[in-house]
Amino acid sequence: DIQMTQSPSSLSASVGDRVTITCRASEGIHNDVAWFQQKPGKAPKSLIYDVSSMQSGVPPRFSGSGSGTDFTLTITSLQPEDFATYYCQQYQSYPVTFGPGTKVDIQ
Amino acid sequence: EEQLVESGGGLVQPGGSLRLSCAGSGFTLSDHYMDWVRLAPGRGLEWVARSRSKSYSYTTEYAASVKGRFTISRDESKTSVYLQMNSLKTEDTAVYYCVRLGPSGNYENWGQGTLVTVSS
Repeated sequence: DIQMTQSPSSLSASVGDRVTITCRASEGIHNDVAWFQQKPGKAPKSLIYDVSSMQSGVPPRFSGSGSGTDFTLTITSLQPEDFATYYCQQYQSYPVTFGPGTKVDIQ
Repeated sequence: EEQLVESGGGLVQPGGSLRLSCAGSGFTLSDHYMDWVRLAPGRGLEWVARSRSKSYSYTTEYAASVKGRFTISRDESKTSVYLQMNSLKTEDTAVYYCVRLGPSGNYENWGQGTLVTVSS
């Protein structure tokens, strides 16, 4: 199984901050990495797929990058509605696996 | 509007069974791979099962933690996907989401989730 780790596990930030979340895979992934946002009591929301492609309707302040084993989600200017937990995912091979999540809260 | 609506969750005793349903609307369900994913308290997201599209004969895949206990299936006429859960364990307690996959294998659309609680 491909293990996905994330760092940090949590962070505190202010509105307007630039936030970067890192995801590391236990083996190389060609292109099949996605990022999701989850708020308490709500279904996850798909943000990024195929490492850097934006899901329809996602604000352009969200972007994804990376290759091989290291991938990044960047939020260029944090907005109040962005405080949530973020998960990375690999879908290159079975089983599909997720990172443990990064909680972004208000500083 | 494309929509997924889950139902069937509830409280069940360890060793019991439950069947979750996911009704799709606004798109052709048979054209898409469909997954079940769960979010357990304090444990993050976990992929549970997959049903490939009609083009791939609705073949299935399962996470090791549920293989042999859970079965994913479809009812094409009712445009629904199901998750039959048997021999339930306390660690199966979670919100279960139905997810539609896109052409790249990415998660395009999520249902609102249904809560399954396994407890005596």
